[in-house]
Amino acid sequence: DTGVSQDPRHKITKRGQNVTFRCDPISEHNRLYWYRQTLGQGPEFLTYFQNEAQLEKSRLLSDRFSAERPKGSFSTLEIQRTEQGDSAMYLCASSLSPLGEFEQYFGPGTRLTVT
Amino acid sequence: QKEVEQDPGPLSVPEGAIVSLNCTYSNSAFQYFMWYRQYSRKGPELLMYTYSSGNKEDGRFTAQVDKSSKYISLFIRDSQPSDSATYLCAGTAYSGAGSYQLTFGKGTKLSVIP
Repeated sequence: DTGVSQDPRHKITKRGQNVTFRCDPISEHNRLYWYRQTLGQGPEFLTYFQNEAQLEKSRLLSDRFSAERPKGSFSTLEIQRTEQGDSAMYLCASSLSPLGEFEQYFGPGTRLTVT
Repeated sequence: QKEVEQDPGPLSVPEGAIVSLNCTYSNSAFQYFMWYRQYSRKGPELLMYTYSSGNKEDGRFTAQVDKSSKYISLFIRDSQPSDSATYLCAGTAYSGAGSYQLTFGKGTKLSVIP
């Protein structure tokens, strides 16, 4: 499978715990995005990487959230001190610049439940 | 007002019907318009995109954009039960930081009844 993969697919955690999600983009894609989707809503942009550089962050990304993309390959999204409002599907997408930078391909998502 | 508005439905049609899905948007900077299909508890799948105004056809799917009225449409011909999913429209424009972050509507849930 050469698509975007995400791990884990599901995560249940207690309020106050830290969680980390991983995204492996399509291998040659240099752009990587994180989105969050809550029930009944479309995905909302969180942050964007070009190669290893994090170039844009949404105001939705509070200081409890941090994302990295070491060496421009896989990316991690960490949420510290989780809150019930963090329960959502976290989606990763990748695209290839410069030919298809707007064509974003999504992974299956990580569903987070904070109890 | 959200930047992309989409009727969440649900929309139920008989197999073989022509389906029309629509969105409106308010951000005049949008240059590309995308349609994604999302099955329950899965990630969105890119169906097709258009640049600026015009039509684009791919098999049973046709996407239309009218920038003058800020209206986006997706038509599905000869709908099949396998088309039952949530359809998300999105707009994007190049940001100052270099990204093409997508702005999505809420999605329309479609059921095609055999």
